[in-house]
Amino acid sequence: DTAVSQTPKYLVTQMGNDKSIKCEQNLGHDTMYWYKQDSKKFLKIMFSYNNKELIINETVPNRFSPKSPDKAHLNLHINSLELGDSAVYFCASSYSGGLSNEQFFGPGTRLTVL
Amino acid sequence: KQEVTQIPAALSVPEGENLVLNCSFTDSAIYNLQWFRQDPGKGLTSLLLIQSSQREQTSGRLNASLDKSSGRSTLYIAASQPGDSATYLCAVRPDSNYQLIWGAGTKLIIKP
Repeated sequence: DTAVSQTPKYLVTQMGNDKSIKCEQNLGHDTMYWYKQDSKKFLKIMFSYNNKELIINETVPNRFSPKSPDKAHLNLHINSLELGDSAVYFCASSYSGGLSNEQFFGPGTRLTVL
Repeated sequence: KQEVTQIPAALSVPEGENLVLNCSFTDSAIYNLQWFRQDPGKGLTSLLLIQSSQREQTSGRLNASLDKSSGRSTLYIAASQPGDSATYLCAVRPDSNYQLIWGAGTKLIIKP
């Protein structure tokens, strides 16, 4: 059973286009995240939603807009794509109650902007 | 501002050796620390999570320790196997929020 899934796995597109990446988790978690991993392999938080409400919004261009239709989904829409947006984007989820708040990650979406 | 450093950046050892990966963080006010594994082109797999009140966690051949006061964690891998080859990432969750602060990872190669 897939715990955290992302679609698509690969996305190749031209500069200036608008694209979306979808994320779904079936773990019953109430918090979801988007991370960006750049070419140097550094992971950085972009957004976090808890119970469909935005709780973390790091310094990310407003061309990036997350949308959480329900607790199990957190989609990422990117407008006017730029070359620097090329990276691997990871979705993750966790449960805010309990002790650990351990995060579980999706397989990543490799975005290439030409 | 919390910063996480992992040393070494890369490590290559023969199969069967025991090895230690290091992670250090600058602010001891952490909620927990997680070790992850990332295989090339794949997602991240959580290996171990240590709460701030714990000193260590074990899973199979893996043992992670935490010394909050000195800002250090180690991941010990016993009897390494070629299948252990991957990038190992350390991430710290600050007390104040849900986000994880990441190290750059240690790329581990186990030679058969």
